[in-house]
Amino acid sequence: AQTVTQSQPEMSVQEAETVTLSCTYDTSESDYYLFWYKQPPSRQMILVIRQEAYKQQNATENRFSVNFQKAAKSFSLKISDSQLGDAAMYFCAYRSPNQGGKLIFGQGTELSVKP
Amino acid sequence: DVKVTQSSRYLVKRTGEKVFLECVQDMDHENMFWYRQDPGLGLRLIYFSYDVKMKEKGDIPEGYSVSREKKERFSLILESASTNQTSMYLCASSLSQDYGYTFGSGTRLTVV
Repeated sequence: AQTVTQSQPEMSVQEAETVTLSCTYDTSESDYYLFWYKQPPSRQMILVIRQEAYKQQNATENRFSVNFQKAAKSFSLKISDSQLGDAAMYFCAYRSPNQGGKLIFGQGTELSVKP
Repeated sequence: DVKVTQSSRYLVKRTGEKVFLECVQDMDHENMFWYRQDPGLGLRLIYFSYDVKMKEKGDIPEGYSVSREKKERFSLILESASTNQTSMYLCASSLSQDYGYTFGSGTRLTVV
């Protein structure tokens, strides 16, 4: 069974600085999808970024980018020019194409942004 | 925008009660999911459904059941609520396996 691990329960960053959130996963599949979700205090889960495993190019969405290392099974999220609104819980998630589309989530990393 | 609506934001129920958590999506998505979220454990899948009247057990189905009579509605049922079911419950839907989920805003359930 696939697993997703986020080893940093909490992280802190200064406003305008860059922070990297770590995520590792375990799978024997070669084709899959990886996601980062953001959950602010409002509790609404928001999709931040999506990576397809067969694509070598790292996904980027404005200030958010990933470092996808398929061989190392690592999928870290980099947030550049951090803003106060980035403060949230961040979840890494894995999706197999073979299991009804279910997402497997990591434990989450709570990011705080200091002004 | 796709909307996933959960009927209650906060809910307090007594031990032994039968509890219904409702979820409705408005974009004709095939797949719907119920997760519970607990601190330090992330989100854990309870049940999911990829078609009307179809359901599959997730990782922690014990104590729960689901109903999907119509494509847009996926209900989670706690047959006899217990205090260890106090949690945040999140519903989500997805167009297909290639896409991420759209989530509802969650129901915080407290069982006393």
